[in-house]
Amino acid sequence: QPALTQPASVSGSPGQSITISCTGTSSDVGGYNYVSWYQQFPGKAPQLMIYDVSYRPSGVSNRFSGSKSGNTASLTISGLQAEDEADYYCSSYKTSTNVVFGGGTKLTVL
Amino acid sequence: QVQLQESGPGLVKPSQTLSLICTVSGGSINSGDYYWNWIRQHPGKGLEWIGYIYYSGSTYYNPSLKSRVTISIDTSKNQFSLILSSVTAADTAVYYCARDNGWGCPDNWGQGTLVTVSS
Repeated sequence: QPALTQPASVSGSPGQSITISCTGTSSDVGGYNYVSWYQQFPGKAPQLMIYDVSYRPSGVSNRFSGSKSGNTASLTISGLQAEDEADYYCSSYKTSTNVVFGGGTKLTVL
Repeated sequence: QVQLQESGPGLVKPSQTLSLICTVSGGSINSGDYYWNWIRQHPGKGLEWIGYIYYSGSTYYNPSLKSRVTISIDTSKNQFSLILSSVTAADTAVYYCARDNGWGCPDNWGQGTLVTVSS
């Protein structure tokens, strides 16, 4: 059972915005500003898209943004493009296990 | 640009030991700025952190795997390794090595290697 809860799937049309939620506890998401988001294509390694809740690594499109409220973090993708179709995972720092992950969300671009 | 690359057997028999190596290129594993992790992904499933090692040799393991996991580092070869003992079919997964800043944010991953546990 994944430590962080994500919706199994979300979908949107090109140009729209979608938001993926990631719910944890006060011991992980709610307790630290160390939430990350990863994009993963089939057969590929996860790629970091957001770190420290809302920061984008160099090279990541500004269509990707992150936020957090209480024990729930969110990833928003605006101006949805076909190339965004992938699996998305959230993660959070947690003292007992360094990092915990969500179960992943499959994004479908309609 | 730092790159990580996993290597090791793709097939391990039940009850035996899984051994993988991660080779780091383009940067020193000895820098002290990062922690060096092993993470796995069961087929079609999510990600599971296995453990990490610091350049000094200090380690931290997932409590659920701690009794079977050993991570070591060879700074002279710029490599770190994973040993997982007494494997079962439940250990079949893609194993990734990854670098993180110590705050649970792996920012640089290897391509992953599939390890199948089967007789």
